[in-house]
Amino acid sequence: SAVISQKPSRDICQRGTSLTIQCQVDSQVTMMFWYRQQPGQSLTLIATANQGSEATYESGFVIDKFPISRPNLTFSTLTVSNMSPEDSSIYLCSLARGVGETQYFGPGTRLLVL
Amino acid sequence: TQLLKQSPQFLSIQEGENLTVYCNSSSVFSSLQWYRQEPGEGPVLLVTVVTGGEVKKLKRLTFQFGDARKDSSLHITAAQPGDTGLYLCAGAGGGSNYKLTFGKGTLLTVNP
Repeated sequence: SAVISQKPSRDICQRGTSLTIQCQVDSQVTMMFWYRQQPGQSLTLIATANQGSEATYESGFVIDKFPISRPNLTFSTLTVSNMSPEDSSIYLCSLARGVGETQYFGPGTRLLVL
Repeated sequence: TQLLKQSPQFLSIQEGENLTVYCNSSSVFSSLQWYRQEPGEGPVLLVTVVTGGEVKKLKRLTFQFGDARKDSSLHITAAQPGDTGLYLCAGAGGGSNYKLTFGKGTLLTVNP
């Protein structure tokens, strides 16, 4: 499986600010995804990061709040904009080699918004 | 919307005991993955099951995919403290529906 890294691993942010999370993979992959895991909860898909085009967002998530970039097949960013305490979560990127293939997850970014 | 019900939600047992975690749905999945997540880490893939009735073994862990591909179970034999973690099942719809549906997870604590 590919090696996936995320930066930062954790951060504490003030309300109203924005944070950009980076996800780097050591090999080219077709599919990249961003998930949120709120405290004590399971994973919720935010969006599918599409290379060279706009991300595909799930219901309840919008581009203005969670802009996503994917400039190439090994890198993606997720920005959490205008943060509030409700955005405190673990944010995870994942990848799949192809449509319907098994997903592998990064180590996650723990975000605390004060 | 495909839903996955995972049970039990919490499980606390003594070292050496056996346990089973269940993942059930009314929907058919093309494949199902089991992950284990430790505090401060991302989910780590344990197994992917694809064929109805399939049984896979990973040391003391036995995974089964139901014949109808709607349910799955994870059985751990002689649990050890190192097995402690959040166990998540996730089903894939198949074809163009590549998204994973996650269960709520089972938080397992194995006490020494």
